[in-house]
Amino acid sequence: QLQVQESGPGLVKSSETLSLTCTVSGGSISSNHFYWGWIRQSPGKGLEWIGSIHYSGRTASNPSLKSRFTMSVDTSKNQFSLKVNSVTAADTAVYYCARPLYTGNYFFWGQGTLVTVAS
Amino acid sequence: QSALTQPASVSGSPGQSITISCAGTSSDIGGYNFVSWYQQHPDKAPKLMIYDVSKRPSGVSDRFSGSKSGNTASLTISGLQAEDEADYYCSSYTSSDTYVFGTGTEVTVL
Repeated sequence: QLQVQESGPGLVKSSETLSLTCTVSGGSISSNHFYWGWIRQSPGKGLEWIGSIHYSGRTASNPSLKSRFTMSVDTSKNQFSLKVNSVTAADTAVYYCARPLYTGNYFFWGQGTLVTVAS
Repeated sequence: QSALTQPASVSGSPGQSITISCAGTSSDIGGYNFVSWYQQHPDKAPKLMIYDVSKRPSGVSDRFSGSKSGNTASLTISGLQAEDEADYYCSSYTSSDTYVFGTGTEVTVL
């Protein structure tokens, strides 16, 4: 059974860079045509699609989030990552990584990792 | 991109049916049959309940059904049960080759 698991710092200071990693187990990140996704949820708020990345490095991103978010993939480690530059309190959220059934319909989810931005 | 619009809350008694709407535009829901629905219990990751407007992943109860008309998608839960009490989110592919979630609906079983 495929599993994905987020890892990250938990606490990051305002204006710094947040780095998150999603580790894939039970399957290869390079298999098929999946775009692996990042979704976040601010405390008490709804889900927000951040973007997705193919093992080739091709990405699709939420235009509302502009250029502070960068995704990358490391096929040798079966991982993909998210970096958020110049974080603010608005970036405080639970960050999820996920894999779709085939595209956009996220079936496999990590448990989520809470990131708090401190001033 | 703007979030899809859902009612903040919907409630029903056990055994009843409820329907949650998800309003979008011709650039998302109206233009593609790539609408998904997710169920999220408190402090849990979302669970895919419906994809491609009306398809159910393996293991999802047939009490959950999805449909679409124009720019609005709907999720119907039949035979409402206590375990259905959760937040529900719709999602759609968009003409910008991105995805957008709905604002979320809290379902309460009375």
